[in-house]
Amino acid sequence: DIQMTQSPSSLSASVGDRVTITCRASQSISTFLNWYQQKPGKAPKLLIYAASSLQSGVPSRFSGSGSETDFTLTISSLQPEDFATYYCQQGYSTPRTFGQGTKVDIK
Amino acid sequence: QVQLQESGPGLVKPSETLSLTCTVSGGSISVYYWSWVRQPPGKGLEWIGYIDYSGNTNYNRSLESRVTISVDTSKNQFSLRLTSVTAADTAVYYCARDSTAKLGSFDIWGQGTLVTVSS
Repeated sequence: DIQMTQSPSSLSASVGDRVTITCRASQSISTFLNWYQQKPGKAPKLLIYAASSLQSGVPSRFSGSGSETDFTLTISSLQPEDFATYYCQQGYSTPRTFGQGTKVDIK
Repeated sequence: QVQLQESGPGLVKPSETLSLTCTVSGGSISVYYWSWVRQPPGKGLEWIGYIDYSGNTNYNRSLESRVTISVDTSKNQFSLRLTSVTAADTAVYYCARDSTAKLGSFDIWGQGTLVTVSS
């Protein structure tokens, strides 16, 4: 199975901050990397697919980059509604696997 | 637009079978893969498995001996059965659309249903 490791596990930030979350795969997954946002009591929401493609309806302050084993999710200017937990997920092979999550909270 | 809705019992006794159904509305089930994902309280996400419209399945090896996913195209539904449940199977269970066009991402999710395993 492909292991996905996110860092950090949590971070505190202020509105307007630039936030970066990283995700590392245990083997090369090309660009089969997806990012989700999850708020308490809600289903995950797809933000970025194929490492850097913005899902329809997602604000442009979200961006993704990377390939092979190292990936990044960036929020260019954190907004109040962005405080949530973020997960990466590989779609390269089965079993589909997720990172452990990064919780972004208010500083 | 396509929407997913999970249904089934919220409480299951230990050693019994968990059964959930996901109804797909606003689109046909005869495209894409359809997955189940679960999340224990306060923990991360675990993929359980997927099925396509013709009934081809792929399961997480960690659960493979206890899991069956089936599809009913006439009802636009797919279902999950998990046998011999224990407290470790207590989780929110989500159904989701697995999009190969979007490189194996889950682009549409149900709202999730909490299943508690307890006597």
